[in-house]
Amino acid sequence: SYEVTQPPSVSVSPGQTARITCSGDALGDNHASWYQQRPGQSPVLVIYQDTKRPSGIPERFSGSNSGNTATLTISGTQAVDEADYYCQAWPSGTEVVFGGGTKLTVL
Amino acid sequence: QVQLVQSGAEVKKPGASVKVSCKTSGYTFTSYDINWVRQATGQGLEWMGWMNPNSGNTGCTQKFQGRVTMTRDTSRSTAYMELSSLKSEDTAIYYCARAPVGASAYYFDYWGQGTLVTASS
Repeated sequence: SYEVTQPPSVSVSPGQTARITCSGDALGDNHASWYQQRPGQSPVLVIYQDTKRPSGIPERFSGSNSGNTATLTISGTQAVDEADYYCQAWPSGTEVVFGGGTKLTVL
Repeated sequence: QVQLVQSGAEVKKPGASVKVSCKTSGYTFTSYDINWVRQATGQGLEWMGWMNPNSGNTGCTQKFQGRVTMTRDTSRSTAYMELSSLKSEDTAIYYCARAPVGASAYYFDYWGQGTLVTASS
């Protein structure tokens, strides 16, 4: 079955750029989405269809997807961005897969 | 505004079944799929399956085939997920999530608040 892989943790200093990767076979041929989940809360969609931001999501969140890797980029990272982030794909058109999640720490 | 409001926490004995509801509002219920995703404590998100409220068609990952039933009541704009033969490993928060249909991508733009299901003797 198809799998996508994320690093367990990423650390960034406030104001710097955080990049979280999601790897899977030919992931660039499928669309990736990203979710933010703060402790005790439901996931929130922050990027869909590789690069699109839902209404209300700050411009500092952006996404890309090419080859085997999708990337979530957070520019000018703020303390409020500290959370778990999950990538998600729909590789076969029938099943959804989530990455294992990445804990973003803003030091 | 779009809302998905789930039923309250449940405690069940192993071997029993649990049924979680997801009441929607703020949009046309039959125009979007409803998916179910679960999360064990301290773990990641696990997709379970989907339902099209218009047709009633469903699909789920192989892991849950034969154990999960997804239904809907269109008059109440409510989706249901029933999981049978509960095991202790099914203890988790269960989320419903809305997915736009017909696009080239499949993603979840609104989520319920989650329902904690505990399977314990």
